[in-house]
Amino acid sequence: AQSVAQPEDQVNVAEGNPLTVKCTYSVSGNPYLFWYVQYPNRGLQFLLKYITGDNLVKGSYGFEAEFNKSQTSFHLKKPSALVSDSALYFCAVRDRPDSNYQLIWGAGTKLIIKP
Amino acid sequence: DVKVTQSSRYLVKRTGEKVFLECVQDMDHENMFWYRQDPGLGLRLIYFSYDVKMKEKGDIPEGYSVSREKKERFSLILESASTNQTSMYLCASSETGTGRVEQYFGPGTRLTVT
Repeated sequence: AQSVAQPEDQVNVAEGNPLTVKCTYSVSGNPYLFWYVQYPNRGLQFLLKYITGDNLVKGSYGFEAEFNKSQTSFHLKKPSALVSDSALYFCAVRDRPDSNYQLIWGAGTKLIIKP
Repeated sequence: DVKVTQSSRYLVKRTGEKVFLECVQDMDHENMFWYRQDPGLGLRLIYFSYDVKMKEKGDIPEGYSVSREKKERFSLILESASTNQTSMYLCASSETGTGRVEQYFGPGTRLTVT
């Protein structure tokens, strides 16, 4: 069965330090992978996606993610964290290729950046 | 920019009431989705639609119905609201096409059923 896991409920990082939010997946076939961010009391905003090509994907707000096929991971990274990056982050994977583009969602990771 | 709007940001309803949540997108997207979001559970798909008048059940359709009479509008209906339907409801839309499958979300409706 298709699945996606975010192993950390919360990640704490000091401002200016690099951050990583982890995501692993299990799908059949080639995965389509996504990261979204949710600020308090708001909808989700699309950050970046991996469909094919370069394993390092760059997205909005200075975020990037690395697709690692052998480890079935798609970790979100940023070289220098900002307090304004504090939010809830969701990883998602497309369901089966014939699924009308449904996504399967991780449970979310709360990122807290401390000044 | 894609814009997805939802009719209310906050809604308070009584148990047993019929509740309508409206969602409109302005990018001519074929697919539209309704999710509910609860702490620790992530997003759970209630229903989605891939065309006008077409719908498919998601993971948790019980107690909900949907309507899509026009391409830009997707409505979620709680036939008889219950307290366990208190939640954040998120609407999303997406294109149909290889590589353009990311979903775009509305701001959400926080529904409280008392």
